[in-house]
Amino acid sequence: QVQVQQWGAGLLNPSETLSLTCAAYGPSFSGTYRTWIRQSPGKGLEWIGEINDTGSVNHNPSLKSRVTISMDTSKNQFSLKLSSVTAADTAVYYCRQAWCSAGTCSDSWGQGTLVTVSA
Amino acid sequence: DIVLTQSPGTLSLSPGERATLSCRASQSLSNNLLAWYQQRPGQAPRLLIHGASMRASGIPDRFSGSGSGTDFSLTISRLEPEDFAVYYCQQYDTSPRTFGQGTKVEIK
Repeated sequence: QVQVQQWGAGLLNPSETLSLTCAAYGPSFSGTYRTWIRQSPGKGLEWIGEINDTGSVNHNPSLKSRVTISMDTSKNQFSLKLSSVTAADTAVYYCRQAWCSAGTCSDSWGQGTLVTVSA
Repeated sequence: DIVLTQSPGTLSLSPGERATLSCRASQSLSNNLLAWYQQRPGQAPRLLIHGASMRASGIPDRFSGSGSGTDFSLTISRLEPEDFAVYYCQQYDTSPRTFGQGTKVEIK
């Protein structure tokens, strides 16, 4: 079973860059999608973006050009950077890895990182 | 962007009862690329259903998904105590992937 663990700074000043990393442990599967999702306090889920096995990135246009998603296949890690943060970016950030094998799909989520943006 | 509207906002039921949750998309999803997630308090979500009707690995068979096009549903045949949670639908047909606002299933 794949397990993912995430880490990164939890308190930022406005205009700084959020930086989070997620590491996956366990078997590898082709066709894996690595995704970042956030949840503002007491709110629903917002898709930030994803990167697939080939390194192709897809991100939410609502975040404009502030998002960078990358991966390091040698370490089985993927990362999120969100620049010029404001209070509106305060949320719990999750990484998620999803894969399909033998006709069924599964996912594994990180534990979540509460990122607070405050002066 | 595809807007997903979930109903009801809150469902108050007793253990053992059947729960039916709805998710309506603002445009048709090709290949029924819709997923359902469960989020318990203080936990990350987890995948229950993908492709509108296929249970994810390890998900009990009391969870089932159905629907096509713009109308989808998640049914929990007999609620167990651990099923009281918030449920989200998500479309992964087009980018940006979008989530519904969630349905809370609470104990009556």
